[in-house]
Amino acid sequence: KQEVTQIPAALSVPEGENLVLNCSFTDSAIYNLQWFRQDPGKGLTSLLLIQSSQREQTSGRLNASLDKSSGRSTLYIAASQPGDSATYLCAVMYNQGGKLIFGQGTELSVKP
Amino acid sequence: GAVVSQHPSRVICKSGTSVKIECRSLDFQATTMFWYRQFPKKSLMLMATSNEGSKATYEQGVEKDKFLINHASLTLSTLTVTSAHPEDSSFYICSAPLQGSGGEQFFGPGTRLTVL
Repeated sequence: KQEVTQIPAALSVPEGENLVLNCSFTDSAIYNLQWFRQDPGKGLTSLLLIQSSQREQTSGRLNASLDKSSGRSTLYIAASQPGDSATYLCAVMYNQGGKLIFGQGTELSVKP
Repeated sequence: GAVVSQHPSRVICKSGTSVKIECRSLDFQATTMFWYRQFPKKSLMLMATSNEGSKATYEQGVEKDKFLINHASLTLSTLTVTSAHPEDSSFYICSAPLQGSGGEQFFGPGTRLTVL
C-alpha cells in the first residue's frame, strides 16, 4: 500500500530558528513529490516540486530534498518567521498527471 | 503559477438539498481535475478524478450517486453533493495538473460546506 507519513505532527519554534520537516513514503517508485502550505480554512499553496530524478529544490528560505532510495524527503526552512506558521503537507505522485497521495501534515507555529 | 478557482467559497444548506461546487482552471486547460475532501485537522482525501469528456473515476468507498462529477469543458469541473446530510459537511478542494510542468498540481481555495 502506498502511504505517506509526516513527522512531527506539530512543531513550535521561536522566530529565527532553522527547522526541518520530514516526509516518508512507502513505495519509492515515485514520479514526483510536492510540498504544500495550507493556512487555516484555505486551499493549498504549492511550495516546491521535486521530480524523481532530482535531489533537491530551493525557493528563497525553503529547501526540499529527496532521497528516493530511502523513501524520504525533507523541507528545510531557514530563519523561520511568524508568517511561516501554517500546516505543511507533502504529497507524492506515482504517475504523470495522476493523483497525489498526501501525508497527514505538520502544523508549524513560529512564535515571535 | 497557474490559477484554479472554486465557487462558492462557503455554502450553508438544509439537509436534503443538493449543492453544486464549481472548479475552474483560469489560465490553463485541464483534461483532468481532482476532487478532495478534508476534515478538520486531517489531511486531504481524494474522492474522485474528473476526466473531461468521460466519466469520473471514484475512489473506493466514495458513492458516485451521492457525489456527482461533471467535467463539461477543459476549464470546468463540477461536484454536486446530492441530498446532502450533516455528515457531508466538510471542506472540499479541487486541483488540476498543469501540463508541461512536470506534474505540478495547483489547488483551488476550497469550499466550506455546512449542512444543517
